[in-house]
Amino acid sequence: AQTVTQSQPEMSVQEAETVTLSCTYDTSESDYYLFWYKQPPSRQMILVIRQEAYKQQNATENRFSVNFQKAAKSFSLKISDSQLGDAAMYFCAYRRPGAQKLVFGQGTRLTINP
Amino acid sequence: NAGVTQTPKFQVLKTGQSMTLQCAQDMNHEYMSWYRQDPGMGLRLIHYSVGAGITDQGEVPNGYNVSRSTTEDFPLRLLSAAPSQTSVYFCASSKGRGNTEAFFGQGTRLTVV
Repeated sequence: AQTVTQSQPEMSVQEAETVTLSCTYDTSESDYYLFWYKQPPSRQMILVIRQEAYKQQNATENRFSVNFQKAAKSFSLKISDSQLGDAAMYFCAYRRPGAQKLVFGQGTRLTINP
Repeated sequence: NAGVTQTPKFQVLKTGQSMTLQCAQDMNHEYMSWYRQDPGMGLRLIHYSVGAGITDQGEVPNGYNVSRSTTEDFPLRLLSAAPSQTSVYFCASSKGRGNTEAFFGQGTRLTVV
């Protein structure tokens, strides 16, 4: 069974600085999809960024980028120029091809210090 | 577009009571799912549906029941509430599988006393 591990329960960063959230996963599949979701205090789950395993190029979305290391099964999220609105719980998630189910990590709570 | 709408947002139940969490989406998505979120465990799949009339069990289905009579609605029933079912429940829908984005409702915080 696939598993996703986020080893940092909590992280904090100063406003305007850069922070990296870690995620590792375990799978025997060669093709799959990876996601980062943000959950602010409103509880709403918001897709931040996604990566297809067959693509070597790391995905980027404005201030958000990933470092996808397929051999190491690592999928970290880098947030540049951190803003107060980035404060949230961040979840890493995995999905097999053809599957509906998302497998989530435990989450990392990110605090932004002004 | 309302997206995915869950009701209620908060609920307190007594042990043994039953209730239905409602979920509706207006995006004409075939795929819908229910997850529960517990501290330190992320979100875990309870039940899912690939279309009207088709449902299947996820990772933690015990104590829950679902049906999918229409594309829009996917209610989750708690048959006899237990304190272990205290959690935050999320409904999600997506247009497809694979790389497709899943859209989530705002969640229902359920407390069973």
